[in-house]
Amino acid sequence: GEDVEQSLFLSVREGDSSVINCTYTDSSSTYLYWYKQEPGAGLQLLTYIFSNMDMKQDQRLTVLLNKKDKHLSLRIADTQTGDSAIYFCAERESKGATNKLIFGTGTLLAVQP
Amino acid sequence: SQTIHQWPATLVQPVGSPLSLECTVEGTSNPNLYWYRQAAGRGLQLLFYSVGIGQISSEVPQNLSASRPQDRQFILSSKKLLLSDSGFYLCAWIPRRGHSYEQYFGPGTRLTVT
Repeated sequence: GEDVEQSLFLSVREGDSSVINCTYTDSSSTYLYWYKQEPGAGLQLLTYIFSNMDMKQDQRLTVLLNKKDKHLSLRIADTQTGDSAIYFCAERESKGATNKLIFGTGTLLAVQP
Repeated sequence: SQTIHQWPATLVQPVGSPLSLECTVEGTSNPNLYWYRQAAGRGLQLLFYSVGIGQISSEVPQNLSASRPQDRQFILSSKKLLLSDSGFYLCAWIPRRGHSYEQYFGPGTRLTVT
């Protein structure tokens, strides 16, 4: 079945760039997503990318997609302490019409002041 | 604008007691609705999804059930809670006609079974 993997933890200094990586298995996925979860809260959609794109930029966020390697990354420029959270990568399941998402286990981003 | 509500925000229940968690969506019609559980440690497990009133699909066998009595209402239930039902329950929706299929999440319900 489909699987999405992420590293568990990333620590950066305030002002540096953060790069969170994700690999997925379903080569037919049409959409891939990044979500942010702050402590005790629901998931907040940050951005998504369509599979025919290589890159998408949205303010401080840059998403890179390498379809050949099934690798997705999220770069956060000028990381702030408010960016500390868990970041989830997700892919849309390509089979069926139920629009299910397959989530990774999340990467905890710790921003040091 | 669309919003999603979950009720209650936190719940502490004894083993063997019943459960009812509610999710409602405003500002849209005919959404796909989803229930997830997030256990300690992060991963999200899809429990149920619904594409319409009365239509429920279960992803994993478990002690829980779901119902969709109205278009924008999704309920998660149990007749007798187990300790293993503890977790953070998240409801999500997508617009039926959405072109990028992104899911929007509610604030969640923290359930502790004692």
